[in-house]
Amino acid sequence: ETGVTQTPRHLVMGMTNKKSLKCEQHLGHNAMYWYKQSAKKPLELMFVYSLEERVENNSVPSRFSPECPNSSHLFLHLHTLQPEDSALYLCASSQELNQPQHFGDGTRLSIL
Amino acid sequence: AQSVTQLGSHVSVSEGALVLLRCNYSSSVPPYLFWYVQYPNQGLQLLLKYTSAATLVKGINGFEAEFKKSETSFHLTKPSAHMSDAAEYFCAVRVYGGATNKLIFGTGTLLAVQP
Repeated sequence: ETGVTQTPRHLVMGMTNKKSLKCEQHLGHNAMYWYKQSAKKPLELMFVYSLEERVENNSVPSRFSPECPNSSHLFLHLHTLQPEDSALYLCASSQELNQPQHFGDGTRLSIL
Repeated sequence: AQSVTQLGSHVSVSEGALVLLRCNYSSSVPPYLFWYVQYPNQGLQLLLKYTSAATLVKGINGFEAEFKKSETSFHLTKPSAHMSDAAEYFCAVRVYGGATNKLIFGTGTLLAVQP
């Protein structure tokens, strides 16, 4: 139990579907992150939120849309995805922006 | 720009043998360095971190890493491997400056432990 819960654990969707990934942290942290983990590539930071404000958008295509309604929840809204978007999407949180990050177990996304 | 390089995408050791996973960093400023472990079907778990205090850092599960500025290295070691150590290990460096706590990760080293 890491304190960071991601749902669903697995998601299969077509390129025209719209779906959302959810992340919830029970640690009282103020910063949250989305990462993409693809096979044979380093972990890629996608978005960073601090106190519900986006502080980094790491050149992510607009078909990925994050939302942080409060400091405990982070969403990643997906639409019109491409096959190359198939990956493990990891959420993380930290107490503050300069503190170590705690990761969830990820959502395995497959685009058909 | 800061970066980390992990030498060896796969490492195999026997149970009870020394574990050595290599990480070299590139940074023009004193780096903050991390090792994370990822077990199958799980997210990343922080093993240990170096933040410019002691150069020998002890982490969880018997792992430790030594920061060597002269060699720009931060190798991860464990004296005696256990079957439960089989996982993928990632070295990371925190990007200096800014307010985003951005981590740059290496490509990972998959550790196999043979009985």
